Amino acid sequence: HLVESGGGLVRPGGSLRLSCAASGLSVGYHYMSWVRQAPGKGLEWVSVLFTGGKTYYAESMKGRFTISRDESKNILYLQMTFLRPEDTAVYYCARDLSGSHYPYWYFDLWGRGTLVTVSS
Amino acid sequence: EIVLTQSPATLSVSPGERATLSCRASQSISSKLAWYQYKPGQGPRLLIYGSSTRATGIPARFSGSGSGTDFTLTISSLQSEDFAIYYCQQYNDWPPITFGPGTKVEVK
Repeated sequence: HLVESGGGLVRPGGSLRLSCAASGLSVGYHYMSWVRQAPGKGLEWVSVLFTGGKTYYAESMKGRFTISRDESKNILYLQMTFLRPEDTAVYYCARDLSGSHYPYWYFDLWGRGTLVTVSS
Repeated sequence: EIVLTQSPATLSVSPGERATLSCRASQSISSKLAWYQYKPGQGPRLLIYGSSTRATGIPARFSGSGSGTDFTLTISSLQSEDFAIYYCQQYNDWPPITFGPGTKVEVK
C-alpha cells in the first residue's frame, strides 16, 4: 500500500516535497520510483532509488529533484526545486517488482498519486 | 532514449469482443516490455512484463506477444472493467525507462 501526499499549488521557481508513505512493505528493501503524468499526457518516469542508495533521474529533473527515503518512517520522498509549469502533473510512487539484487524496472504497486500544479 | 509509439490512439470495442493493441519501439528492446492498465484516480496496474508474462492476479483474457520492436496486447473478450487506457513501457535501455503515449479502449 502506497499513499502519496504533499502536492499542491506552487509558483514557478518554487519548491515542494512529496511523500510516499508505505505500509505492508519496507521502502528500504525495494527499488522505488517516482512516475508522473501531466494533464492529458502519458506516463513519464522521474527518478529511482536503489536499495543500496544509488539514484537516477530523468534528464529534465537532474539537479532539480532529489529522491530519498526515511526507513525509520517507511517513507519515500521527492524533493522538487526550481519548479517549472511543465512539472505540473500527478506524481505517483511505484514499487519495482524485483525482490532481487537488481531492479526489474517494471512496477507492481502504485499509489493513487498527488497533484502538483506549478502556476503563477 | 527509446521512443514507444502505440496504435491506435483510441479503440472502440463492444463488450465481449476482442481488442488488439500495438506498441512499437524505435529500436530493438528484446522482450523487455511491460503493459499497464490505467483508470483515472487510480495508479496504473501492471498487466504484462517480459512481453508475455502475466503479472500476479491478471486474468487469462489478457495476453502479450512480440519481441524486438513490435509488440501486441490482446484482450480476448472485453469485460466492462477493461475499458481504460493502456500503456506500454520499455525497460531494455535505462535510465530512462520510457512509456508509450497510451491507447484508450472505449465502449463502442
